[in-house]
Amino acid sequence: QKEVEQDPGPLSVPEGAIVSLNCTYSNSAFQYFMWYRQYSRKGPELLMYTYSSGNKEDGRFTAQVDKSSKYISLFIRDSQPSDSATYLCAMSAYWGNQFYFGTGTSLTVIP
Amino acid sequence: SAVISQKPSRDICQRGTSLTIQCQVDSQVTMMFWYRQQPGQSLTLIATANQGSEATYESGFVIDKFPISRPNLTFSTLTVSNMSPEDSSIYLCSVVLLGGYEQYFGPGTRLTVT
Repeated sequence: QKEVEQDPGPLSVPEGAIVSLNCTYSNSAFQYFMWYRQYSRKGPELLMYTYSSGNKEDGRFTAQVDKSSKYISLFIRDSQPSDSATYLCAMSAYWGNQFYFGTGTSLTVIP
Repeated sequence: SAVISQKPSRDICQRGTSLTIQCQVDSQVTMMFWYRQQPGQSLTLIATANQGSEATYESGFVIDKFPISRPNLTFSTLTVSNMSPEDSSIYLCSVVLLGGYEQYFGPGTRLTVT
């Protein structure tokens, strides 16, 4: 079983839709959670990062962590064509420990 | 956040040669990593670059093939040695900033081996 599971998509939504991206994990020790956006031919860009459980909001983006279910989500409100990219989740158990990445979800927002 | 630069941004190399990739950060960092990302795939950790000592390699990666240096807190190099077409990939450095836990990535080096 992989440490981190992420639906690869592709996911296609109309502009203005709410997008939900998800990852599940198996290691209950994970407590640092990150979401990255990666445009084609670019390095991953850190979008959101959270420690332990709960929600974090930044503009149109909301990150949720449910440690009891070992499930994390990234919500994008009022999606824009510029949000079209691959989204990667990543997580780690301890500071300085290895980060485990999902395989990425490809998102296309149609104008 | 931090500004992370990588050189070169891309290169086309011949089989059997070596390429050294540089990573420079403009802030104090605690950890530096090197990843590989093959087309359409997620990130694979090659090694953790340790300042002033040998890098810590992940399973499947060896120092002879991917020698890494980190002479100071803000600079590291990765060499891809004796290249084959299977080494064609994007190579990314990433850092954890002093006082933080989140990881930031450089823009990547796109390597094609012919």
